[in-house]
Amino acid sequence: DGGITQSPKYLFRKEGQNVTLSCEQNLNHDAMYWYRQDPGQGLRLIYYSQIVNDFQKGDIAEGYSVSREKKESFPLTVTSAQKNPTAFYLCASSIRLNTGELFFGEGSRLTVL
Amino acid sequence: GNSVTQMEGPVTLSEEAFLTINCTYTATGYPSLFWYVQYPGEGLQLLLKATKADDKGSNKGFEATYRKETTSFHLEKGSVQVSDSAVYFCALILIKAAGNKLTFGGGTRVLVKP
Repeated sequence: DGGITQSPKYLFRKEGQNVTLSCEQNLNHDAMYWYRQDPGQGLRLIYYSQIVNDFQKGDIAEGYSVSREKKESFPLTVTSAQKNPTAFYLCASSIRLNTGELFFGEGSRLTVL
Repeated sequence: GNSVTQMEGPVTLSEEAFLTINCTYTATGYPSLFWYVQYPGEGLQLLLKATKADDKGSNKGFEATYRKETTSFHLEKGSVQVSDSAVYFCALILIKAAGNKLTFGGGTRVLVKP
């Protein structure tokens, strides 16, 4: 079945460590996104990518980095510079950038100990 | 800028009750409007959409009508079930604006009790 796979589902990290969250899609979508969701809050856009080898900062990119070397993959690295990294991270994709129809993964919950 | 405002939750209902979740928006043009649903521990799923004024989106017993005059897109369901317990997000996008992305509301948590 086509869809978006995020891994790991749960991740624990010590302060000062970088972690990378995986996002893979087999929908042949051009656009991919990373969102952060905090308890009781909406979604905030971290980074997005319209095409391979291109990505743009969203609203809260500080302390995060991404790459888009393959169409199917859009990993997110949470660096030690992110001051409050404990959150639920959602990856999404869409057939193109300028659309409201996004397909989401099941999310990765990161906890910093 | 563009923004979406939703009623704050949680909204607690009994099974078979009528559900309304208010959503209003501000936009610098004529947006397309969406409702997404997030079940516990999962990602978001598109529930329904409307792309122009007076359009009605519907799915799984949920409905929402695009009201340009009141800049609203309220979500309704006539008889909720326990399985409708989730967080609901209203969102908009300006399709004709190049490079635009979805703007989400803050989400409304709905809890349906048996």
